[in-house]
Amino acid sequence: GAVVSQHPSRVICKSGTSVKIECRSLDFQATTMFWYRQFPKQSLMLMATSNEGSKATYEQGVEKDKFLINHASLTLSTLTVTSAHPEDSSFYICSAGRRSSGNTIYFGEGSWLTVV
Amino acid sequence: SQQGEEDPQALSIQEGENATMNCSYKTSINNLQWYRQNSGRGLVHLILIRSNEREKHSGRLRVTLDTSKKSSSLLITASRAADTASYFCATEGLGLTGGGNKLTFGTGTQLKVEL
Repeated sequence: GAVVSQHPSRVICKSGTSVKIECRSLDFQATTMFWYRQFPKQSLMLMATSNEGSKATYEQGVEKDKFLINHASLTLSTLTVTSAHPEDSSFYICSAGRRSSGNTIYFGEGSWLTVV
Repeated sequence: SQQGEEDPQALSIQEGENATMNCSYKTSINNLQWYRQNSGRGLVHLILIRSNEREKHSGRLRVTLDTSKKSSSLLITASRAADTASYFCATEGLGLTGGGNKLTFGTGTQLKVEL
């Protein structure tokens, strides 16, 4: 079964609104989670590193005020896309490493965001 | 961009044939991993090869790593229609600050296995 869960799997929102995506590690604690974005038929691009109890670390070119990341507990990180625009429509995927599995990385099932 | 390159971008083969995908990367690494992604879905980890390893097998998968050339290959033997998916290599770099597991993905190969 899944060890990293994302919710929602699909969401449609109107331009200018905000949408929150959750990433949960189901049976392990994750001090660090990662958020990626993937456009159709393209590869995954790392957006940011989510650190439990501290600020996220953003990759170059990713607007931290637009993509708010909160890692308030050891099993939950959230990505909020603020003031969404159609160009933010994409597939967002999170990942976390589980130390008990030799730091194997598990990915969530991803969240499709469509901004209309 | 530090993103790795994969080739071919797309590969179409007949069931039973072998499929080979290549990956090149740019920086020194701790390990290189291969993932599979079905259309519109999350990623499934296939195999990890460490920087001090040259070859690794898992079932019908064979991965090679040449750190001098900064390249890796994934071979799927006796392919099946169910192997149809996108395949990505991903590298974990050196000197990461706390947290590890930060991956840089290649551009991916779309594999289609036809009956």
